[in-house]
Amino acid sequence: EDQVTQSPEALRLQEGESSSLNCSYTVSGLRGLFWYRQDPGKGPEFLFTLYSAGEEKEKERLKATLTKKESFLHITAPKPEDSATYLCAVQTRHLNTGNQFYFGTGTSLTVIP
Amino acid sequence: DTGVSQDPRHKITKRGQNVTFRCDPISEHNRLYWYRQTLGQGPEFLTYFQNEAQLEKSRLLSDRFSAERPKGSFSTLEIQRTEQGDSAMYLCASSFGGGGTDTQYFGPGTRLTVL
Repeated sequence: EDQVTQSPEALRLQEGESSSLNCSYTVSGLRGLFWYRQDPGKGPEFLFTLYSAGEEKEKERLKATLTKKESFLHITAPKPEDSATYLCAVQTRHLNTGNQFYFGTGTSLTVIP
Repeated sequence: DTGVSQDPRHKITKRGQNVTFRCDPISEHNRLYWYRQTLGQGPEFLTYFQNEAQLEKSRLLSDRFSAERPKGSFSTLEIQRTEQGDSAMYLCASSFGGGGTDTQYFGPGTRLTVL
């Protein structure tokens, strides 16, 4: 069964304290892995798409990496405005079911000034 | 603003009533998705369209839920005979899907409260 698990559920960092969020997945037919940021009461905001193992993408203080079993979202020197829930999602495709999309439950990040 | 828009942003209804939500995707996007999200959970896939065709529908989707995209542009999601368990954020997303990886862009959501 396709599954996406994110850890930790919640993370508190001091401003400037770098860390990583984890997204592990057990899916077959992976077509892509996505990272989103979600602020309370709002829709998810797209951050990155990763297509294959070994791929890396960066945007400002964020860097996403992908292996065959997991993805990491590295946050370098975070600021309070980085506080949000970070969601990981995968797209899979199977012969019988077509495209399917699964989200993890997210990591709630709080950056303390 | 050329992003995905949803209307209404908030809806409060009584149990047993029908509700309808609208989603306007990014104009050049051919795929449109509906998700449901409850507090502390990630979005749960409900259904998606490519142009006007409904291609996938979650097995978890009750018969009380129906979605349309009549002209391949905006979409509506209707919930009939609402139940308290339907209270959630309903999210719409769109993408330009060409058969490969599908990057979706989300709207602000419609918050449904069923009393």
